[in-house]
Amino acid sequence: AQTVTQSQPEMSVQEAETVTLSCTYDTSENNYYLFWYKQPPSRQMILVIRQEAYKQQNATENRFSVNFQKAAKSFSLKISDSQLGDTAMYFCAFAPIRNNDMRFGAGTRLTVKP
Amino acid sequence: DAGVIQSPRHEVTEMGQEVTLRCKPISGHDYLFWYRQTMMRGLELLIYFNNNVPIDDSGMPEDRFSAKMPNASFSTLKIQPSEPRDSAVYFCASSFGTGREKLFFGSGTQLSVL
Repeated sequence: AQTVTQSQPEMSVQEAETVTLSCTYDTSENNYYLFWYKQPPSRQMILVIRQEAYKQQNATENRFSVNFQKAAKSFSLKISDSQLGDTAMYFCAFAPIRNNDMRFGAGTRLTVKP
Repeated sequence: DAGVIQSPRHEVTEMGQEVTLRCKPISGHDYLFWYRQTMMRGLELLIYFNNNVPIDDSGMPEDRFSAKMPNASFSTLKIQPSEPRDSAVYFCASSFGTGREKLFFGSGTQLSVL
């Protein structure tokens, strides 16, 4: 079974600064996808970014980028130029390609301070 | 499409009562998931269906929980009898295809068992 670990329950960052959220995972799968989801106070789960494990190039989406280290099974999220609207819970998730058994980490609560 | 629709948004019930949570996935999606979110345990996968067939229910806490998907456009999660420790936010999510596809989440049902 896959496990996803987020070791930072809470983090804070000043507006316009950069912050990195950590995620590690454990799996015996070779082919899989990794995700970061954002959950603002509205409770809605929103996909932030997705990484295909067979791609060496790190995914980027505007101010969001990942540092994917497959050998280390690490998948961190970097948020540049943090904005107040980035305040939310952030979940790292893993899904093997062969099925859709997506597993989530415990989440990191990020607060962006003005 | 209206997205994944869950009802009710909030449910308050007394211990011992039966609770039924409902979900309408996005039309055309062939995977449906039920997750439970608590402060202590984060997002837990309870069960998921593929083409209306339950694939993995190993996350269902105990026999008091049951889930059905009678057709491609409707699923229920039932708790009978409910207990205070079942209090949580229950999310339904759907997707099309295997693990490369992102999940589309509903807004969740906040369940409080008194």
